[in-house]
This record gives sequence, structure tokens and C-alpha cells, in this order.
Amino acid sequence: DVKVTQSSRYLVKRTGEKVFLECVQDMDHENMFWYRQDPGLGLRLIYFSYDVKMKEKGDIPEGYSVSREKKERFSLILESASTNQTSMYLCASSLSGATSYEQYFGPGTRLTVT
Amino acid sequence: AQTVTQSQPEMSVQEAETVTLSCTYDTSESDYYLFWYKQPPSRQMILVIRQEAYKQQNATENRFSVNFQKAAKSFSLKISDSQLGDAAMYFCAYRRFQGGSEKLVFGKGTKLTVNP
Repeated sequence: DVKVTQSSRYLVKRTGEKVFLECVQDMDHENMFWYRQDPGLGLRLIYFSYDVKMKEKGDIPEGYSVSREKKERFSLILESASTNQTSMYLCASSLSGATSYEQYFGPGTRLTVT
Repeated sequence: AQTVTQSQPEMSVQEAETVTLSCTYDTSESDYYLFWYKQPPSRQMILVIRQEAYKQQNATENRFSVNFQKAAKSFSLKISDSQLGDAAMYFCAYRRFQGGSEKLVFGKGTKLTVNP
């Protein structure tokens, strides 16, 4: 089974702190994604990566950056956390190619910024 | 821009009965994929069912089936013989390929409650 893990289920940080959210997948997937999930807004794509060291902005990249140094690991970085970044963060991965490969999701990290 | 609309924020169904969740989408593409994902409370999001736009036949996975109306850009999910374990948030998603990258566009979700 594909497994996507995230470093923390719950995280509490203070305003202005630098925050790292880590995601690891074990199925050699090329594509990895970071989403933000908020009630009433669904999932919104922050960044995605289709190869090591490659990244593309999603719909809401402001205030975030990402890093992908190894194929299995995709990190989301909040350079200076703010209260409006309090949210559930979901990581996902998928195989690349023009077929209907599904995205596999991690359990999520609920981040609270105080 | 592609958008996905789920017009029912919440739905409820009696155990063993059938419920249909609605989804519409907007796209100018001719080739794409549609998905329904399920997110149980405090658990990981999982794929329920997928539909390829060029296929006329509606996808079915056990008790889950879709009604795909390409011209109307409608993609509803029918859950038959509902079970307590079906209670979850359900997200409709549209997947588009552009060059070497892909993107999922999600609706805002429908919270399904199953009453015993």
C-alpha cells in the first residue's frame, strides 16, 4: 500500500516563527502536493512538485515556500507564521503520466498559530 | 479557469437508504478526469471513484456509482445501501493535465451524515 506520512498531526506555533511541515511518501511517486483545507473552502493547492528540485505554485502560494531535495520528501515552509495560516495542511503524492493515477493523501497536520 | 461546485454543504441519509451527492464543474477541456474523494472524521482522504471524461459508461465501485453527464458538466455520486461508515466529508475533484504537471481542483465538500 502507498503510504504518505506527515511529520506532525498537531502543531502549535507562535506568530512570526518559521514552521516546517514535512511529508514523506514511500512509493517512488514523481508528483507531490501541499494543500490547505479550511471549513467551507474545501482543499486549495499551495504548491506542487513534479520532480526533485522542481516546484510550481498552486492557487494560494503567498506566505509559503517548499523544498524537494529528495524524491520521497516534500517540505512546506512558513517563513513567518501568521494567525491566518491556522489551518489543516494535507500532503499528497501521485505517479506522473497522462493516465488517471489517483492522489494519495497523508493524515494531515493541524497547525495553530497563536 | 476550472471550477468545481458542490451545492450541498450537508446531507443526511438513513442507514440502508440511497443518497446522491451533486457536483458540477466548469471546463473548456475535452479530456479530463473526475474523482470523488472521501474524508472520514480524523482519517485520511481516500479515493472513492473516478471517471474518465471520454468514457460514456458511468463508473461503479460496489455501492458507489456516478451519474456523469458530460454535456451538462455534472458528476453526481450515488451511495446505495448507506452504512454508518459512509459518514464523511465527500469532495468532488477535477483533474487536468498540462504539459508534464497535473492539478486537482476540489469542490468545497459535502458533509454526509448517516442516521441509524
